[in-house]
Amino acid sequence: QSVLTQPPSVSGAPGQRVTISCTGGSSNIGAGYDLHWYQQLPGTAPKLLIYANNRRPSGVPDRFSGSKSGTSASLAIAGLQAEDEGDYYCQSYDRSLDGYVFGTGTTVTVL
Amino acid sequence: EVQLVQSGAEVKKSGESLKISCKHSGYRFTTSWIGWMRQMPGKGLEWMGLIWPGDSDTKYSPSFQGQITLSVDTSVTTAYLQWSSLKASDTAMYYCATMGAGTSSYYFDYWGQGTLVTVSP
Repeated sequence: QSVLTQPPSVSGAPGQRVTISCTGGSSNIGAGYDLHWYQQLPGTAPKLLIYANNRRPSGVPDRFSGSKSGTSASLAIAGLQAEDEGDYYCQSYDRSLDGYVFGTGTTVTVL
Repeated sequence: EVQLVQSGAEVKKSGESLKISCKHSGYRFTTSWIGWMRQMPGKGLEWMGLIWPGDSDTKYSPSFQGQITLSVDTSVTTAYLQWSSLKASDTAMYYCATMGAGTSSYYFDYWGQGTLVTVSP
């Protein structure tokens, strides 16, 4: 049972904007720990998408953006494309567990 | 740039031992934590533990403490994940990743391609 909760799935038409939420608590996101996002396309390894809440690694399109507020965070994908279909995970540190935690994961479907 | 190349798929039986590897190339091997993650079939990512190649300092997730051992060989810039006695429930894809430092927590920046471990009862 993960301490970071995400919706199981989100979907949108090509070109639309979708958002994925990541809800934590006072021992992780709410404690001020950075929140990071990963994209896992079918049959591939996860890839870092957003780090430190809202920073994009080199090569990640600016269609992807992250934000954090209180005990939750969000990943937004603007201009949805077919190649964005896959699973998305948030990740942070939890001081009660004294370890790193991943969200439950969200499957993005392009209609 | 950092590259991580993991060893190939393994098929084992319950009770057998196993050691899988993660070969690091590029900069930062001894100055960057390496984490290991499990992904069971059709499931999400779970953090297992991490190791600092500079001095082999390790930290394990409570869920995996006592079940696995992390190690490194700096002479070949390779990290290892091992089990002394596998169980069928260890069947999963395993990933290694280097860790970058954010302002208040680490993230996993470079990932290996994964090693699929299949354990029969």
